[in-house]
Amino acid sequence: QKEVEQNSGPLSVPEGAIASLNCTYSDRVSQSFFWYRQYSGKSPELIMSIYSNGDKEDGRFTAQLNKASQYVSLLIRDSQPSDSATYLCAVPRSAGGTSYGKLTFGQGTILTVHP
Amino acid sequence: DAGVTQSPTHLIKTRGQHVTLRCSPISGHKSVSWYQQVLGQGPQFIFQYYEKEERGRGNFPDRFSARQFPNYSSELNVNALLLGDSALYLCASSPRAGNLDNEQFFGPGTRLTVL
Repeated sequence: QKEVEQNSGPLSVPEGAIASLNCTYSDRVSQSFFWYRQYSGKSPELIMSIYSNGDKEDGRFTAQLNKASQYVSLLIRDSQPSDSATYLCAVPRSAGGTSYGKLTFGQGTILTVHP
Repeated sequence: DAGVTQSPTHLIKTRGQHVTLRCSPISGHKSVSWYQQVLGQGPQFIFQYYEKEERGRGNFPDRFSARQFPNYSSELNVNALLLGDSALYLCASSPRAGNLDNEQFFGPGTRLTVL
C-alpha cells in the first residue's frame, strides 16, 4: 500500500461546479496534512494545511480531514478555469529516524475546469 | 519578502558529469529540503537540512549529496549523472525542522536534463 494515494484523474468539472479531490494515507499517527497546487511546468504551491478532524475553509477551498478513516479531501467551490492544475496531497512522516518530517506526496490529481 | 530562490532555472548535462544546484530559503527560515520530481509523479524527498546539519535523507544513492551554509542557503550536488536523473529539482524552505506542522514552501525548481 502506498503511503499517500490519490486518484490521478483527470478530473473534469464544468466552470462553477464543485471539484472534489481525495487522498488516503497509510500512517495512522499522521497529524498534519497539506494540499499543494501545481500548474503545468511550475513548482508546487501550498494552498491548504489541516491538522484537526473536520473542515477548514479558506475562500473557495475547503479541506476535510477524517483521521479515523485516514482520509483527507479538498473541495473547490465555484471552480474556475484558472483552477485547472495538478493537486498534490502531502503528509509529513511522523515516525523517527532519518526522514522525520519529510513530506510524502501522492502522485497528484489532474483537475480540468472547462468553461 | 522574497520567496525561495533557486538557480539555475534550467540545466543540460551529459551522462557522467556532475551538477550543483543552489537554493536560498525565505528570509528567517532555517531549514531547507530537497525533492526530485519526475514527470507525472509527486515530489520525492532527497534531503533535509537544518542549522547546517543533515536532519533527514531519502532513498537516493550516494551520488547525491548536499550541504547548508551559515546563511542557510543550500547546495545539492549530483555526481556521475544518469539519464534517470533528469527531473525537476525542488527546494523547500521551512522555519524549522522536525515539526509535523511545519509548512514547507517550494522554490521555482531547477529543470535538469541529462543527455
